[in-house]
Order: sequence, then C-alpha cells, then structure tokens
Amino acid sequence: SQTIHQWPATLVQPVGSPLSLECTVEGTSNPNLYWYRQAAGRGLQLLFYSVGIGQISSEVPQNLSASRPQDRQFILSSKKLLLSDSGFYLCAWSAPSGAETQYFGPGTRLLVL
Amino acid sequence: DAKTTQPPSMDCAEGRAANLPCNHSTISGNEYVYWYRQIHSQGPQYIIHGLKNNETNEMASLIITEDRKSSTLILPHATLRDTAVYYCIVRLLFPGSARQLTFGSGTQLTVLP
Repeated sequence: SQTIHQWPATLVQPVGSPLSLECTVEGTSNPNLYWYRQAAGRGLQLLFYSVGIGQISSEVPQNLSASRPQDRQFILSSKKLLLSDSGFYLCAWSAPSGAETQYFGPGTRLLVL
Repeated sequence: DAKTTQPPSMDCAEGRAANLPCNHSTISGNEYVYWYRQIHSQGPQYIIHGLKNNETNEMASLIITEDRKSSTLILPHATLRDTAVYYCIVRLLFPGSARQLTFGSGTQLTVLP
C-alpha cells in the first residue's frame, strides 16, 4: 500500500530564516506530487505541483520554491521566511494515470515568529 | 467544478449511522462526487467518490440521487474518532493531470458519546 510521509511535524522559525520541508511517498512510482498550504480556518491553497522529476509548476508567486530531486521526494523551501508563511503545509500525491484522487500526508505546522 | 452546499454542522450519537448530505444541483454529467474529511490538526483524508452509482468501501457508503443533484455520505456506525470536518467536492476528472483540490466550508460532524 502507498504511504506518504512529511517532516518535521511542527516547526517554529524566526522571520528571515530558511525553510526546508520534506515529503516522501512509498509504494507508488511516478506519482503526481502537490504542496498545499492551509491557513487557520481557511481552505486549501495549491502552491506547487509536479508530474515528474525536476518538473515543478508554481501556482502562486511568493518567496517559496519547490524541488523534486527524486521520483518520490518533494521538497518545499524558502530562503527567508515571512510572518505570512505561517500555516499548515500539506503534501499530497495522486496516481500518474487513472483515478485522480489525491492522498494527503500528515502535514507540517509552521509558525514564523 | 460545480458548487456544493453542505450544512455547517451536525451531531451524531456514537454507534449510530451518520448521514451527511450534500447538494450539487449544477453538477454536469461528467463530474464526480468526492468526499474527504479532516480531523483537527491532521491532513485531509480521502473517503470515497462516485459518478452515478452508489458506492461502498470500508469507511463509508455514498448514495447519489438519480438526478445526481444531491448525495449523502453514510458512516454506518459512527465512533468518536469520526469527529471531523467532512467535505463534499464535485470534480471533473482528467486522469493523469495534476489540478488543485478545492474544499468548501464542509460539515463539522461531532460524534457524541
């Protein structure tokens, strides 16, 4: 069966510091991968998605970036965090063909102070 | 993707069936009905989806009316761990594509002991 991991689970960072969040998927090959952000009491905002290694599409211009160095690894980064970057970051995957169901990881709660 | 309407909150006694309604009167013929839930501080969890026929899996049953303008998610024997926000989503499927998943405000289901 497929499993998706995210770490860290929680993170408190000062404004201006760098960020690296990691997501890995097990049990599937060539998945579509997604980074979402969920602000408190609000819906999901798609930040990036990837359909293959090195292929990243950005949905929202901001100080975040994403990379996919391996087939089942998706990384969210920032060089300098802003207060507005606080939120709940969710990684998700979907099969490359067939059903388009997205499956989410446990999330990383980021607080920028 | 068509718009959905859900009641903001519902209560259910533990051990009883929880029936969560969703209206999607503008649904088109090719749009699927999806259900997700999000337990507090966790990532969203896929529950079930369907097009026309009723569907059942180990988590729930999905009943779609014949005109497809509404549906009901049924949790047959609700437990305290089923307390969550439940999201009904109507969505065209593009197999193999990567698209944003958009949640509405959902229904807060509280299972009472």
